[in-house]
Amino acid sequence: DTEVTQTPKHLVMGMTNKKSLKCEQHMGHRAMYWYKQKAKKPPELMFVYSYEKLSINESVPSRFSPECPNSSLLNLHLHALQPEDSALYLCASRHARGLDTDTQYFGPGTRLTVL
Amino acid sequence: AQTVTQSQPEMSVQEAETVTLSCTYDTSESNYYLFWYKQPPSRQMILVIRQEAYKQQNATENRFSVNFQKAAKSFSLKISDSQLGDTAMYFCAFMKPDSGGYQKVTFGTGTKLQVIP
Repeated sequence: DTEVTQTPKHLVMGMTNKKSLKCEQHMGHRAMYWYKQKAKKPPELMFVYSYEKLSINESVPSRFSPECPNSSLLNLHLHALQPEDSALYLCASRHARGLDTDTQYFGPGTRLTVL
Repeated sequence: AQTVTQSQPEMSVQEAETVTLSCTYDTSESNYYLFWYKQPPSRQMILVIRQEAYKQQNATENRFSVNFQKAAKSFSLKISDSQLGDTAMYFCAFMKPDSGGYQKVTFGTGTKLQVIP
């Protein structure tokens, strides 16, 4: 299995809603990432988890709350978002040790629209 | 800080022809990795090719090859025999190893490639 999966594919939410994005991989990767990507722009790093511990938070607003409950799963909890948070949210993973640690594998993304 | 520059926002190429996408980067590091990622309109980011800075030999993957000029800090991607499925946004990316066990990727702004039938 060489795949990173993300659910849902599309999400529309109001500014008062609470929702969660899910990312899953079964490649044994111990580093997992959340990126935000606006149209025609490169991905912007939000969070990095290494061995299920948060290792990087790129000064992301607290309305985004990541969670890594186990080595295969990464969640992004959303609450009180703003319309400008509408974007494609990409998950990625990589090996933390050994060979091929430099390569990140991306999921297909969740297209989020905040009304 | 590392920066990655892609000076060609958009490019087009006829099917079966060859096209070269440019990328330059700025770093004081001697050991690092460079990547080209492809993001088709379906949006999944796919690794096209990677290059380790300490390797002088240019990486190749089937129709994709790079011209890595370390001294010039240049990393261009050549696509031979272009196919319609090559239509995508292409991101050049840089990463340096990190002792903290995590690795940030710095992306360029992207080049949108259109393959014309």
